[in-house]
Amino acid sequence: DIQMTQSPSAMSASVGDRVTITCRASQGISNYLAWFQQKPGKVPKRLIYAASSLQSGVPSRFSGSGSGTEFTLTISSLQPEDFATYYCLQHNTYPWTFGQGTKVEIK
Amino acid sequence: QVQLVESGGGVVQPGTSLRLSCAASGFTLSDYVIHWIRQAPGKGLEWVAVISKDGSRQYYADSVKGRCTISRDNTVYLQMNSLRPEDTGVYYCARDPGHLDERWLDLWGQGTLVTVSS
Repeated sequence: DIQMTQSPSAMSASVGDRVTITCRASQGISNYLAWFQQKPGKVPKRLIYAASSLQSGVPSRFSGSGSGTEFTLTISSLQPEDFATYYCLQHNTYPWTFGQGTKVEIK
Repeated sequence: QVQLVESGGGVVQPGTSLRLSCAASGFTLSDYVIHWIRQAPGKGLEWVAVISKDGSRQYYADSVKGRCTISRDNTVYLQMNSLRPEDTGVYYCARDPGHLDERWLDLWGQGTLVTVSS
């Protein structure tokens, strides 16, 4: 199975900060990587698919990059509504696997 | 209204069985591959199983292989047997058009809670 290592597991940041979250795959997954946002008690929401394609309606401050084994989610200027937990998901090979999650908290 | 609705969760004892259902409204379920994804309390997301549009192919996570069966007719089901405490969590179904476009995992249900406890 492909293992997804996400880092950091948690971080504190301020409104306006640039935030970067990384996911590393244990083997190459091309660009079959998605990013999800989940707020407490809510259903996960897909932000990015195919590593860098932004879901319509998602603010442009979110961006994704990477290919192969290393991927990044960047929030260019953190907003109050962005405090949440973020997950990566590899969908190159079954079983699909999620990263462990990154909780972004208010500093 | 376009939505997925899960049902069938509950409190059960270890070793027993449960069947979860995932129903669609506002779109044609058979146009989509359907995934089950779960989340233990306070933990991360875990992909569980998938079924193809015609029901001919299924894949499972190692953690449930041999204990769970996914199937479909006008509804998608997840039959869970020999339940363990570690199966406790919220179970979501999510749709997948079978190729990467805006609809890929764009819609999730609200989830159904499974609690396995003696």
